[in-house]
Amino acid sequence: AQSVTQPDIHITVSEGASLELRCNYSYGATPYLFWYVQSPGQGLQLLLKYFSGDTLVQGIKGFEAEFKRSQSSFNLRKPSVHWSDAAEYFCAVGARNNDMRFGAGTRLTVKP
Amino acid sequence: DAMVIQNPRYQVTQFGKPVTLSCSQTLNHNVMYWYQQKSSQAPKLLFHYYDKDFNNEADTPDNFQSRRPNTSFCFLDIRSPGLGDAAMYLCATSRDPVGGQEKLFFGSGTQLSVL
Repeated sequence: AQSVTQPDIHITVSEGASLELRCNYSYGATPYLFWYVQSPGQGLQLLLKYFSGDTLVQGIKGFEAEFKRSQSSFNLRKPSVHWSDAAEYFCAVGARNNDMRFGAGTRLTVKP
Repeated sequence: DAMVIQNPRYQVTQFGKPVTLSCSQTLNHNVMYWYQQKSSQAPKLLFHYYDKDFNNEADTPDNFQSRRPNTSFCFLDIRSPGLGDAAMYLCATSRDPVGGQEKLFFGSGTQLSVL
């Protein structure tokens, strides 16, 4: 079965600084990869997804992610973080068995 | 323009007292899911409906049941809540089964407290 690891439980960055959230996956076939964001007390919202093709995918709110098969990674990036980006970020991998697995999440704090 | 609506937003119940959480959708999606999310953990899939077909995850306790009377509504029933069932419960939908490519649309969740 597929699995997802988000090594960083909590990250703090200053507003305006760049951001990278790490995600590693384990899956025997070509994965379908997602990043979701969850604001406090809210449901999850899709930021971006990768199915095939260009390994650098653009998402909403200025986020992008790069799929690196050799590293089994799908890291999320943003060049300049805004205070409103403070939230929990979940990486997820979908598989053909109709299952989607979420990582444990990374909580982002943005300092003024 | 809420698309996946969960009620109530907060639910308090007593230990052992049955409770029902509700979810409705205006997307006309075929699939509806229930996830349990405990504090600082990943959402965990409990079960899902593909149309009327119910699919239970192997490790979902028998204490958790679900009903889907029509396309728009889905209910989560907890027959005898324990303290360990306190969590955020998230409802989600997708147009087709998550065969890898479909994205999920989430509701805002119901935060369940068990006293």
